[in-house]
Amino acid sequence: DGGITQSPKYLFRKEGQNVTLSCEQNLNHDAMYWYRQDPGQGLRLIYYSQIVNDFQKGDIAEGYSVSREKKESFPLTVTSAQKNPTAFYLCASGQGPLTYEQYFGPGTRLTVT
Amino acid sequence: GESVGLHLPTLSVQEGDNSIINCAYSNSASDYFIWYKQESGKGPQFIIDIRSNMDKRQGQRVTVLLNKTVKHLSLQIAATQPGDSAVYFCAEEANDMRFGAGTRLTVKP
Repeated sequence: DGGITQSPKYLFRKEGQNVTLSCEQNLNHDAMYWYRQDPGQGLRLIYYSQIVNDFQKGDIAEGYSVSREKKESFPLTVTSAQKNPTAFYLCASGQGPLTYEQYFGPGTRLTVT
Repeated sequence: GESVGLHLPTLSVQEGDNSIINCAYSNSASDYFIWYKQESGKGPQFIIDIRSNMDKRQGQRVTVLLNKTVKHLSLQIAATQPGDSAVYFCAEEANDMRFGAGTRLTVKP
């Protein structure tokens, strides 16, 4: 059953703590993406990776970090430096190297208090 | 800067009616457009796409129209059903993918 998974669905953290969101895909896609979704706004790109061991900053990378050690996995760490981390985070994958159609995971809702 | 936007934030239709959701884009270099459907608390799902060399594309109950002259994209849903209730947003691809904020479609029984 191919697809893209994110875990957990809901995540709660205290301010000042780092937290890592998981994203796994078995679609054999080269490209993976992390977006942040806030109410009333379009998706905003945090980081993307077009190939293993390589990734680039998106529009709002400050306070976030990623790794791409395996083709299937693209975890996102929300660090304590991120000023407003509470949001819905979406991971996507695509065949790459150009974006074209992206397949989205179910999302993780992060709440930081 | 370039942006993707939607004319209406909400749309309410009667079950069985046709729905039209609009999207304005401002980047004339965009050559690929996608419509996504997002149900509450879930990730976006691909509905239909269109390339800039086309002005119309049809899927199952959905049609996307592209008017490059006025930089306008629309999604038409035929015989709207309660299961169509969701947020719909467009995306445009030029050098990267840009997403609109979305329109919330509510289908009244």
